[in-house]
Amino acid sequence: KQEVTQIPAALSVPEGENLVLNCSFTDSAIYNLQWFRQDPGKGLTSLLLIQSSQREQTSGRLNASLDKSSGRSTLYIAASQPGDSATYLCAVINDYKLSFGAGTTVTVRA
Amino acid sequence: GAVVSQHPSRVICKSGTSVKIECRSLDFQATTMFWYRQFPKKSLMLMATSNEGSKATYEQGVEKDKFLINHASLTLSTLTVTSAHPEDSSFYICSARDEGTYEQYFGPGTRLTVT
Repeated sequence: KQEVTQIPAALSVPEGENLVLNCSFTDSAIYNLQWFRQDPGKGLTSLLLIQSSQREQTSGRLNASLDKSSGRSTLYIAASQPGDSATYLCAVINDYKLSFGAGTTVTVRA
Repeated sequence: GAVVSQHPSRVICKSGTSVKIECRSLDFQATTMFWYRQFPKKSLMLMATSNEGSKATYEQGVEKDKFLINHASLTLSTLTVTSAHPEDSSFYICSARDEGTYEQYFGPGTRLTVT
């Protein structure tokens, strides 16, 4: 069974600092990996999707890397802003199902 | 991107009653939809896979007679929580899968409170 772990569980940084969020998974036979953002009481917003054949994806200030062999992905958010405050979830697909980590809750202080 | 809606966004019901939650893919057809449950400060737990025109596939530990799933069309799946109890109170989220990329698009979620 796929296990997805996200460290740290919570993170508080001053505005402008770069964010590094980590995700690890136990079964490297994944189809793809996806990063989501969730605001309190809301649904999920997809941020980046990395196919298993890719090493990274970039969108604006966001960059996500994938190392299948070591079972790791990292989400980088450059020059953080208070609006980046949210919970970030990592999810992997194998056997056609998504397995989620518990998330990292980020607070960016103005 | 693709849009998935859920209705209602919030519902309060009394113990013993049933409540239905709808999940719709608004601009694409979805053969497969998924239902998740999220506890406070916890990750999403997959409850079941909803397959258009056939029975849903439930994850281990999920009672299929309690959580009834119907996927009658390529754009609509429903989850009915039967004989609801306070412990069923949770945040329920659905997703619809793009069969080309396997990417899932998520609905905004439904907050269920059972009193």
